[in-house]
Parts: sequence; structure tokens; C-alpha cells
Amino acid sequence: SQTIHQWPATLVQPVGSPLSLECTVEGTSNPNLYWYRQAAGRGLQLLFYSVGIGQISSEVPQNLSASRPQDRQFILSSKKLLLSDSGFYLCACLGPGGTQYFGPGTRLLVL
Amino acid sequence: SQQGEEDPQALSIQEGENATMNCSYKTSINNLQWYRQNSGRGLVHLILIRSNEREKHSGRLRVTLDTSKKSSSLLITASRAADTASYFCATDANQGAQKLVFGQGTRLTINP
Repeated sequence: SQTIHQWPATLVQPVGSPLSLECTVEGTSNPNLYWYRQAAGRGLQLLFYSVGIGQISSEVPQNLSASRPQDRQFILSSKKLLLSDSGFYLCACLGPGGTQYFGPGTRLLVL
Repeated sequence: SQQGEEDPQALSIQEGENATMNCSYKTSINNLQWYRQNSGRGLVHLILIRSNEREKHSGRLRVTLDTSKKSSSLLITASRAADTASYFCATDANQGAQKLVFGQGTRLTINP
């Protein structure tokens, strides 16, 4: 089965600084990949998804961007962080039957 | 937009009791899934029920789906302290790329 790796686990960044969060997947090839953000005590909001290398779809307008330079690598970036970018970021991979496997997440605090 | 809405938002019961959580959604779906999230962790898939199914079991979990009412329920029987977590329903509304729309979740606390 798929294994999703995310790092770092926790990140504290100043407003205006850049961001790069990485997600890598093991145990599958050419998977659909997803980036979600979760506010405290809330559900997940889909930010981006990718069906293949270089193919990125954005779900909501925002300060973030995503890239997929390799089949099993999905990167979430920002050139200048905002306070509102704080949250818990989760990467997921499509599994059998339409289920999704999630990584452990990155908690981002923008100060 | 959030399609799945869980009810209640929070639930606290004694160990050994059954816990029932409900989910409502707005559009037609391919399937509905339930996930569990321990505090500060990623989500873990629990069970998937397809739109042509009415009930599904997995161990102590029982899920029902009523497409006419656009609702689903998750029952956890004989609850344990380790069941304490947040539970989310997610719908695949056939919007392409098998995207899921998650609800806000139910925070379940099992008291020993």
C-alpha cells in the first residue's frame, strides 16, 4: 500500500517569507495527489490536485502554488507567506476504489 | 464548498456505549467515505460505501447510506477509549480526479 511522507512536521515562518512543503509517495506510480489545508477544529479544504507530472489544478484562489516535478513528488509553495496561511497542511494520494491515503501533515504557523 | 456536514459537532460518551455520527450532503455522489483523525495527525480511511449500497460493516463500524435523504450515519459499537478522535465524512461527487469534499467533522470523546 501507499506511504505518504511529508516534511517538515512543524514550521514557524515570519510573514513575507517563502514556503516550500514537500510530499513524496511510495508504493505506487502515477497517482493522483492532493494538497489540503485544515484550520483548527475544522474540516479539510482541497487546495490543489494533480493527475500527473506537471499537471496542477487549483481549487481555490490563494497565496499558494503547487508543483509536481516528479511522479511521486508534490510540492506546495509560496513566495510570500501571509498570516492567513497558518494551518495544518495535508498531502494525500489516491488509493484503490477512490479512497485516499494521507501523510502525517505539516503544521505551519506564520507570525 | 463543504458538502458533507456532520452532526453532532462533538460527542462525549462512556466507554462501552455506542456512538452514532451523522453526515448530510447536497449533491448526488459516487460514494461516501468516513475517515478518522487523531489529534494533530493525518486522516485514516475507515470505510467506503457506494451510492448503490445501503449498509456496510467493518469490525465494530457500521455505516448506512440513504441517498433519498442524502445522509449517512457511522455507528461505532462497544466504544473504547482509543476510539477518541475526530471523524469526517467525505463525498465523491463525480467532479473529476476523484476529488473528495470533507465535512467539518465530529469530535468524539470516549470517557473511561
